[in-house]
Amino acid sequence: NAGVTQTPKFRVLKTGQSMTLLCAQDMNHEYMYWYRQDPGMGLRLIHYSVGEGTTAKGEVPDGYNVSRLKKQNFLLGLESAAPSQTSVYFCASSYLPSSGGGELFFGEGSRLTVL
Amino acid sequence: AQSVTQLDSHVSVSEGTPVLLRCNYSSSYSPSLFWYVQHPNKGLQLLLKYTSAATLVKGINGFEAEFKKSETSFHLTKPSAHMSDAAEYFCVVRRAAGNKLTFGGGTRVLVKP
Repeated sequence: NAGVTQTPKFRVLKTGQSMTLLCAQDMNHEYMYWYRQDPGMGLRLIHYSVGEGTTAKGEVPDGYNVSRLKKQNFLLGLESAAPSQTSVYFCASSYLPSSGGGELFFGEGSRLTVL
Repeated sequence: AQSVTQLDSHVSVSEGTPVLLRCNYSSSYSPSLFWYVQHPNKGLQLLLKYTSAATLVKGINGFEAEFKKSETSFHLTKPSAHMSDAAEYFCVVRRAAGNKLTFGGGTRVLVKP
């Protein structure tokens, strides 16, 4: 059972380039999330989705777009990368909160460097 | 609104001694509470969760936490630290039936031999 899988695990971009991070989960979870983790700032929510075809903004959505065309996949896009987007990105998924507490299941992370 | 405060950004313990990681929360609703661990260059792994059942929650690797509503705390403990416990720990609160989680700032644990 793979759980939550993120690709790619590492990427180096030049300022202005675009890229997409892919998150896939095989647990049939309704909710999916994208976080970024920066030193001293903990995890900050970028965007999230409460079901197929839906997305919503989190705390730090600027510069990112997301799509959830299939229930098992949640894509995070950077249209024009900036050095401030250098970070480690984590995808997570969860059951509905009413069922079992709604804990998050995390991927291994994607380390992005923007030069 | 909800918030989480982890009272120590760094904790240093000797191997074999107890570990205490402190977490206070505020929530307008009955919360679910979680502790996660993150080892270097890894994702976050669930240690334990509180979801309004027993107030003393046992997790993996010998960790446990006690939910104290009167103190709005959810401190994480382990009786005897192991070298493999060196990691960063996050306290997380989720409003019951809510779709957003709030993370604490994290506590980095150093275990000395």
